Amino acid sequence: GQQVMQIPQYQHVQEGEDFTTYCNSSTTLSNIQWYKQRPGGHPVFLIQLVKSGEVKKQKRLTFQFGEAKKNSSLHITATQTTDVGTYFCAGFGIGNQFYFGTGTSLTVIP
Amino acid sequence: NAGVMQNPRHLVRRRGQEARLRCSPMKGHSHVYWYRQLPEEGLKFMVYLQKENIIDESGMPKERFSAEFPKEGPSILRIQQVVRGDSAAYFCASSLVGTRDEQYFGPGTRLTVT
Repeated sequence: GQQVMQIPQYQHVQEGEDFTTYCNSSTTLSNIQWYKQRPGGHPVFLIQLVKSGEVKKQKRLTFQFGEAKKNSSLHITATQTTDVGTYFCAGFGIGNQFYFGTGTSLTVIP
Repeated sequence: NAGVMQNPRHLVRRRGQEARLRCSPMKGHSHVYWYRQLPEEGLKFMVYLQKENIIDESGMPKERFSAEFPKEGPSILRIQQVVRGDSAAYFCASSLVGTRDEQYFGPGTRLTVT
């Protein structure tokens, strides 16, 4: 079956360092969404990418959708303690089913 | 505009009992999704409903689990004869347009089976 994997599973960074999480699908995705979940909280929508090769920025966050629409990345510049949480990608694949990635848990050390 | 509401926030059930989880979508949203999250794990899609219809239940276990979204009232996720393995956080999300729209999540119901 279709799978959406994210790497790394866990990431610890010093405050101020950059962070990147990668999302890889076994099949082509029609679009991709990114969510953030704080510890003990619920997922919150961050952004949606639709076009092949699309790049979007939100302040220190940069999102990319791969040319083949099978992968995506989220890059955070100069992490802050408020960036702590788990970042999930999610996308639509075969049969319009919606798949969440396995998530990357980010810890920021002050 | 109230967000997605779920109740109860915490639910404790003994093995063999029934669990009923409720979800009220955001105002104006007619698309509801249920997800299960085990501790330290990702979100697993369970079911997608639109008013009075189940659109996709491919992630729902075949037995003991059911979901509905009636014309009036909240969406209900029902788990019959709960087992310890059902202990998890159950999140509901809603969207305005459909599966290609951003989803707004509720705070979740943490189910503990003793």
